[in-house]
Amino acid sequence: DAKTTQPNSMESNEEEPVHLPCNHSTISGTDYIHWYRQLPSQGPEYVIHGLTSNVNNRMASLAIAEDRKSSTLILHRATLRDAAVYYCILRDVGSGNTGKLIFGQGTTLQVKP
Amino acid sequence: DTEVTQTPKHLVMGMTNKKSLKCEQHMGHRAMYWYKQKAKKPPELMFVYSYEKLSINESVPSRFSPECPNSSLLNLHLHALQPEDSALYLCASSQSWGLGGYTFGSGTRLTVV
Repeated sequence: DAKTTQPNSMESNEEEPVHLPCNHSTISGTDYIHWYRQLPSQGPEYVIHGLTSNVNNRMASLAIAEDRKSSTLILHRATLRDAAVYYCILRDVGSGNTGKLIFGQGTTLQVKP
Repeated sequence: DTEVTQTPKHLVMGMTNKKSLKCEQHMGHRAMYWYKQKAKKPPELMFVYSYEKLSINESVPSRFSPECPNSSLLNLHLHALQPEDSALYLCASSQSWGLGGYTFGSGTRLTVV
């Protein structure tokens, strides 16, 4: 399974944008980039995913580098409810692969009022 | 219905007990998963079911026995567990194996005494 590297922790101020980085230098052509977050005492929650192009949804934006070796999850306006562990995960859906979702250590985001 | 429901939310069991965890979804998802999460660690994949058949067993000890009676239900039967098996057990589902995002339940907090 291709690996990702994320900072252990980040801090943000409320109502400011947050850019959460993820490095995945060994990404393959069939790896999708997935982001999940886990709030305290809850199961992980799907945030966004993409393959090559930047993606937007109601929760966040995903910016993918042209060479796909890194990506950034963007929360446009952080709230206190965004404090969570954010996981960047590569999911290989190529032929013969399992598409398993394997979690790394993630980034713990703290949001200050 | 866009939820994965897990019961019970909390479970305390002795090492000689037999118990079961239950997971239910009514989103028409055909892939379902069990994960185990220890405190302050990322979730670890245990089992993958695709179209009600066991597709992946991540070398999980036989004291954990999964079952998928139909496309909406997933059980995890527990027998002769050890205290180190105490953890949060998370169930998830996805539209099909390898595609789309996962929807996670809130988990069952298991304590083995």
